[in-house]
Amino acid sequence: AQTVTQSQPEMSVQEAETVTLSCTYDTSESDYYLFWYKQPPSRQMILVIRQEAYKQQNATENRFSVNFQKAAKSFSLKISDSQLGDAAMYFCAYRSAGDMRFGAGTRLTVKP
Amino acid sequence: DGGITQSPKYLFRKEGQNVTLSCEQNLNHDAMYWYRQDPGQGLRLIYYSQIVNDFQKGDIAEGYSVSREKKESFPLTVTSAQKNPTAFYLCASSRLWGGSYEQYFGPGTRLTVT
Repeated sequence: AQTVTQSQPEMSVQEAETVTLSCTYDTSESDYYLFWYKQPPSRQMILVIRQEAYKQQNATENRFSVNFQKAAKSFSLKISDSQLGDAAMYFCAYRSAGDMRFGAGTRLTVKP
Repeated sequence: DGGITQSPKYLFRKEGQNVTLSCEQNLNHDAMYWYRQDPGQGLRLIYYSQIVNDFQKGDIAEGYSVSREKKESFPLTVTSAQKNPTAFYLCASSRLWGGSYEQYFGPGTRLTVT
């Protein structure tokens, strides 16, 4: 079964600085998708960024970018110019043909 | 506006009572999912459905039941057999073909059983 591991339960960043959240996954599939979701205090799950495994180019969405290392099965999220509104739980997720698997989450604190 | 609605936002029940959580989507998605989230933890899959009148158990289906009579609706019943029903419940939906299959989530229902 596919597993998703987020090894950082909590992270902290100074406003305007850059932070990287780590995620590794285990799979024998070659075709799959990876996602980062954000869950702010409202608890609404919001899609931050997606990455198709067949694409070598790392996905970017404004201040959010990923470092996708397929051979290493690593999918980290970089947040640049961190803002107070970025404070939330961040979940890494993996999906192939079946259901989606989520990591346990990383709680990000942004210090003013 | 397209999206997923869950109602109610907060739900309180006495132990021993069954309770049904509502989930409706107007995104024309084929697949729908129910997750449970406990404090400080990730999402655990309860049930999912890829087509009307069909559904599959997830990792923690015991004590829960679902139905999928319409494409738009996927209600979850928390039965009295569920040992620890107090939790935050999230419903999601996704496409099955022609996309990256990300899941779209509803706002969630916080269930408290005393």
